[in-house]
Amino acid sequence: NAGVMQNPRHLVRRRGQEARLRCSPMKGHSHVYWYRQLPEEGLKFMVYLQKENIIDESGMPKERFSAEFPKEGPSILRIQQVVRGDSAAYFCASSPGLTDTNEKLFFGSGTQLSVL
Amino acid sequence: GNSVTQMEGPVTLSEEAFLTINCTYTATGYPSLFWYVQYPGEGLQLLLKATKADDKGSNKGFEATYRKETTSFHLEKGSVQVSDSAVYFCALSDRGAGSYQLTFGKGTKLSVIP
Repeated sequence: NAGVMQNPRHLVRRRGQEARLRCSPMKGHSHVYWYRQLPEEGLKFMVYLQKENIIDESGMPKERFSAEFPKEGPSILRIQQVVRGDSAAYFCASSPGLTDTNEKLFFGSGTQLSVL
Repeated sequence: GNSVTQMEGPVTLSEEAFLTINCTYTATGYPSLFWYVQYPGEGLQLLLKATKADDKGSNKGFEATYRKETTSFHLEKGSVQVSDSAVYFCALSDRGAGSYQLTFGKGTKLSVIP
């Protein structure tokens, strides 16, 4: 029973390039959450998605960042024209629904993005 | 807004030592409180939780008590093992519609040496 799978584990990009981070939720989970951990800080909520819908993107920067969770395939967090300040660990989590979300919330191992 | 402050790491202990990791919070409402653990190379896992004042969450020998009067949720374990080496995160969430949004502390790295 595979857990939440994130790839790549490490991603290196030069300033101005695009970064695409993938997250495959646990089997049977239809809710996905993205968090970002900047150096020396705690994880910060970015966005909550259900299949084909963005439910809450209140934590996501308004520019350059976008997220999707298509009907088929993994959830994608996309960062356009990356800057050094985007260097962080990006964590994805999934749950089967909203009921008892935090007890049934499972996290991936994260993607460490480094911008040169 | 909500925030969580936990003690700075890293913390290094000998096996069988007593562990305390302090956590305090500020919240606009009456939050639920959590401790998550991240073992090397793995994702965060829920370790324990408490949803109301004076509740004690416990799991795997770890305990934490929801103290509303001191806005604290300190993690304790009486006798740590090498296998407890990990990063520990204190977190809170609001109740109701916004409960899926967790606010985390910075994490405390624990290393237990034989």
